[in-house]
Amino acid sequence: KQEVTQIPAALSVPEGENLVLNCSFTDSAIYNLQWFRQDPGKGLTSLLLIQSSQREQTSGRLNASLDKSSGRSTLYIAASQPGDSATYLCAVRGSQGNLIFGKGTKLSVKP
Amino acid sequence: DAGVIQSPRHEVTEMGQEVTLRCKPISGHNSLFWYRQTMMRGLELLIYFNNNVPIDDSGMPEDRFSAKMPNASFSTLKIQPSEPRDSAVYFCASSLRTSGNREQFFGPGTRLTVL
Repeated sequence: KQEVTQIPAALSVPEGENLVLNCSFTDSAIYNLQWFRQDPGKGLTSLLLIQSSQREQTSGRLNASLDKSSGRSTLYIAASQPGDSATYLCAVRGSQGNLIFGKGTKLSVKP
Repeated sequence: DAGVIQSPRHEVTEMGQEVTLRCKPISGHNSLFWYRQTMMRGLELLIYFNNNVPIDDSGMPEDRFSAKMPNASFSTLKIQPSEPRDSAVYFCASSLRTSGNREQFFGPGTRLTVL
C-alpha cells in the first residue's frame, strides 16, 4: 500500500530565504506526482505536476524534482515571501487514477 | 473556465439527518473524484468515476455513504444518516482522463459539521 510522508510537518522561515520541502513515497510505481498549495479554509491549488518519466518541473520561483527510484520529491521555493505561507501537499498518482496525499508541510514565512 | 464547483460551501446539520453534497466538474473532464479531509487522517479518496461510472469506491467508509454521477456534469455524495464523526471538509476534483498528465483540479470544498 502506497504511503506518502512529508517532512517537516511545519516550517517557519524569514522572508527571502530559499527553502526545500520534502516528500517521500513507499512504492516507486507511480504515474505522476503533484504538489499542491492549500490556504486556510480553502481548496487545493495545483502548483506543479511531474510525470514519472520526468526529473523536474519549474514554475516561477518553484522547482519540483522527482527521484522515482529512491521514492523522493522535493519542492524548492526561491526567495520566499510572506504570501507563500500556506500548507503544501504532495500527492502521488498510482495506476488506478486516484491521488494519495501526504499530511502536508505548513509553511510560515515571516516578514 | 469556472473550475470545479461545489455546493454548499458550508453545511451544519444534526446527527441522523441526510446530507447531500454536490459537485460540477470542469466541462470536458471525464474523471471525477471525491475526497475527505480531516485533521487526523489528512486527505483521503472516497470514490472516483470515469465517464460517469464508479471505478473504485473502496474509500467509502460505510454504507451510510453513497455517490452518484447521473451525467458528465454533475455528481452527488450523500450521507444518510449523518454522524458527528462525518464532520470534515469534502472535496471534489476532476481531470481529463485522456490527457497526457491527468492533472487533477480541486473544488473549494464543502465544510460539513454534524452536531
